[in-house]
Amino acid sequence: QQQVKQSPQSLIVQKGGISIINCAYENTAFDYFPWYQQFPGKGPALLIAIRPDVSEKKEGRFTISFNKSAKQFSLHIMDSQPGDSATYFCAASRNYGGSQGNLIFGKGTKLSVKP
Amino acid sequence: GAVVSQHPSWVICKSGTSVKIECRSLDFQATTMFWYRQFPKQSLMLMATSNEGSKATYEQGVEKDKFLINHASLTLSTLTVTSAHPEDSSFYICSAPRWGEQYFGPGTRLTVT
Repeated sequence: QQQVKQSPQSLIVQKGGISIINCAYENTAFDYFPWYQQFPGKGPALLIAIRPDVSEKKEGRFTISFNKSAKQFSLHIMDSQPGDSATYFCAASRNYGGSQGNLIFGKGTKLSVKP
Repeated sequence: GAVVSQHPSWVICKSGTSVKIECRSLDFQATTMFWYRQFPKQSLMLMATSNEGSKATYEQGVEKDKFLINHASLTLSTLTVTSAHPEDSSFYICSAPRWGEQYFGPGTRLTVT
């Protein structure tokens, strides 16, 4: 129930294409779903996050789609660029009365954008 | 700009010695911080939850006597790896919640020789 399953493990996309990464969760108590971007040797950087009261959130080229009934959420990167090449992690957590709980991470997706 | 800082960014120590890693929240107070460990090409695994003014909460399988956590102020949590061994070599990352989001530090690469 604590798992977050992420796919694919790796993804190769041509420059200008759309990158799509999917995640699924089981614990219906989760109410915070962030995506992180991580470059080698660096800490994860928050990209975008969503809560279950909305089905989609867009920030620039990054969009989260959220399907509460299916317990799935996905990250779409539009107009993918070589600089987007990194490892992407989805995560989920539960907010305990206003105190942010710890994040449960997916296994990560290594994205390579070919020029 | 950075929201959470860590120091040092990289440390090498000899087997059997101890090393301290600092995690600071920048310009905000964090009553709770989290410590994660990440092995090469793997995901982040939560080690412990650091609570200001009280004992840390450790995840199953994490030795609390080996990984000492002190959250002495609202902006600083420290992780001390005691009697380090080569298998403790890893990337240690802290995080802190701010405005409902979780922000991570840049990480500390620990190498035990």
